[in-house]
Amino acid sequence: EIVLTQSPGTLSLSPGERATLSCRASQSVSRSYLAWYQQKPGQAPRLLIYGASSRATGIPDRFSGSGSGTDFTLTISRLEPEDFALYYCQQYGNSPMYSFGQGTKLEIK
Amino acid sequence: EVQLVQSGAEVKKPGESLKISCKGSGYSFTNYWIGWVRQMPGKGLEWMGIIYPSDSDTRYSPSFQGQVTISADKSISTAYLQWSSLKASDTAMYYCARQERGPWFDYWGQGTLVTVSS
Repeated sequence: EIVLTQSPGTLSLSPGERATLSCRASQSVSRSYLAWYQQKPGQAPRLLIYGASSRATGIPDRFSGSGSGTDFTLTISRLEPEDFALYYCQQYGNSPMYSFGQGTKLEIK
Repeated sequence: EVQLVQSGAEVKKPGESLKISCKGSGYSFTNYWIGWVRQMPGKGLEWMGIIYPSDSDTRYSPSFQGQVTISADKSISTAYLQWSSLKASDTAMYYCARQERGPWFDYWGQGTLVTVSS
């Protein structure tokens, strides 16, 4: 079973700053099988990044993904007020087929 | 426009059965897997299982195997998640989501809140 560990648990930053969120896998994950989601309070998750680095439809280019193997990163280049939310990474692999990280909360400093 | 519309919130007692639904529209329902994801109060996302409506091929997370049943009725473009005997620990928000061409979920339902309390 692949376990995804996200860090930090909470990230406190100000609008305009750069955010770097980490997702570490317990075993190597194919780049093609790593995705990132954003979830705001009271809303369903929204797909941001798939295939480790491809932006989903309608996602602003301030969001970018990178990484390979066991270490993946979501970067938000310049935080907007609407970016403060929860972020989850997700992988596809063996049993279970899918798993999510525990999440990183991005809060306003 | 692709949409997944889930059934409304439910309040049930322990031991009762429940079936919640997820209706897809705006795309070919039979050509995409539909997954179910649990989010317990204040917690993260947990993948429960997934179904391919065209042939009802279903896969479960080991954590949920035997605890829930996932099904689909392709004639009405609807997927289901059901319990035969609810527990208080089943209290959570449940989301359905469409698996895109690759192994990620591009469209999500609005969620169904299930509350189990005596």
